[in-house]
Amino acid sequence: SYLLTQPPSVSVTPGKTATITCGGSSIGSETVHWYQQRPGQAPLLLIYSNSARPSGIPVRFSGFNSDNTATLTIDRVEAGDEADYYCHVWDPNSDNWVFGGGTKLTVL
Amino acid sequence: VQLVESGGGVVRAGRSLRLSCAASGFTFNNFVLHWVRQTPDKGLEWLALLSSDGSRRSLKVSMIGRFTISRDNLNSVLYLDMNNLGVEDTATYYCARDQEDGSLDYWGKGTLVTVSS
Repeated sequence: SYLLTQPPSVSVTPGKTATITCGGSSIGSETVHWYQQRPGQAPLLLIYSNSARPSGIPVRFSGFNSDNTATLTIDRVEAGDEADYYCHVWDPNSDNWVFGGGTKLTVL
Repeated sequence: VQLVESGGGVVRAGRSLRLSCAASGFTFNNFVLHWVRQTPDKGLEWLALLSSDGSRRSLKVSMIGRFTISRDNLNSVLYLDMNNLGVEDTATYYCARDQEDGSLDYWGKGTLVTVSS
């Protein structure tokens, strides 16, 4: 099945920029969605269709997808951004959706 | 929009369980729906989707033959039938709404399934 690779953890100081990657073979040819999951909560759709933000999601969150890597960027990181982040892609070969392994963002 | 899962609990290995997801606040039969699970301290795992009219379903390859997804559009309920459960199926099970491009814009709070040996 399609393998999506995310770094297990990313650390950033408040006010700086956090970058979370999602690697996959030719992922740039697919549509990527991103979710944020805070402890004890259900996932929240953060970015859809590579770079679109649902209503209510701050502009600090952005997405980009090209070649073999999709990227979630969080500008001006805040303490409240501390959460797990997951990428989500359709694998046409298996007719299955696939999640990345998740990245734990720690705000120092 | 509200999605409320139910049917979780403690079950012995080898047994079956049916999960339900009651939906409200939107036109149920207009949307594709998904099941996703999350094992304790682990990541998200996509399980299944079912089209709005129930005509097209996709199941995680490794679950074919054990899990079945279905829906009742009259009563706005999504189901997940799970057979021959193993301890590895212990997880929180979420239902989620697909906003047409596969992105999941609304999620329930989840229902916990614990499989004991």
